[in-house]
Amino acid sequence: QKEVEQDPGPLSVPEGAIVSLNCTYSNSAFQYFMWYRQYSRKGPELLMYTYSSGNKEDGRFTAQVDKSSKYISLFIRDSQPSDSATYLCAMSARSSASKIIFGSGTRLSIRP
Amino acid sequence: DADVTQTPRNRITKTGKRIMLECSQTKGHDRMYWYRQDPGLGLQLIYYSFDVKDINKGEISDGYSVSRQAQAKFSLSLESAIPNQTALYFCATSDWGQGPTGELFFGEGSRLTVL
Repeated sequence: QKEVEQDPGPLSVPEGAIVSLNCTYSNSAFQYFMWYRQYSRKGPELLMYTYSSGNKEDGRFTAQVDKSSKYISLFIRDSQPSDSATYLCAMSARSSASKIIFGSGTRLSIRP
Repeated sequence: DADVTQTPRNRITKTGKRIMLECSQTKGHDRMYWYRQDPGLGLQLIYYSFDVKDINKGEISDGYSVSRQAQAKFSLSLESAIPNQTALYFCATSDWGQGPTGELFFGEGSRLTVL
């Protein structure tokens, strides 16, 4: 069983829709939770990170962590075609980039 | 110009050949990483280096070697390439002082095909 599970999609939604992307994990020691966005033919870039449980909002993006259920989510409000990308969840038990475990990524397409 | 530059961007080679992927960065970060990305598997860490004299194996280092030639340069070598090393390879950097997670900054990737 993988430590981090993520539905690969693809997920296709119309412009303006609310998008929900999710990951589950098995290691209860994970404390740092991240979402990376990867455009086609580009490297991933950090979109959001949260520490421990709770919500974090940044513009149209909200990251949510439920440690009791070992479940994290990324919500995108008022989705735009420019949001079309692969979204990778990532998590770590320690504050070191060398210990980050990545999900396999969900491919998202926003239809104009 | 990109902060993290990888060369070559695409390479096709044959089984048994030696291949080197190069990475250079202008971010001034001490920490550099090599990842491999396969469909359905996500990013897997091959090797990482916290400074010029520090090299560490990641989760999938077998069949790979690295060299940290300078703070800004980190190369990945496949001594004798095999087809299951066909993948997209990413170099990344981080600065431990940037946030609790040590945010990773990725290059644009090197697509390697081994026939």
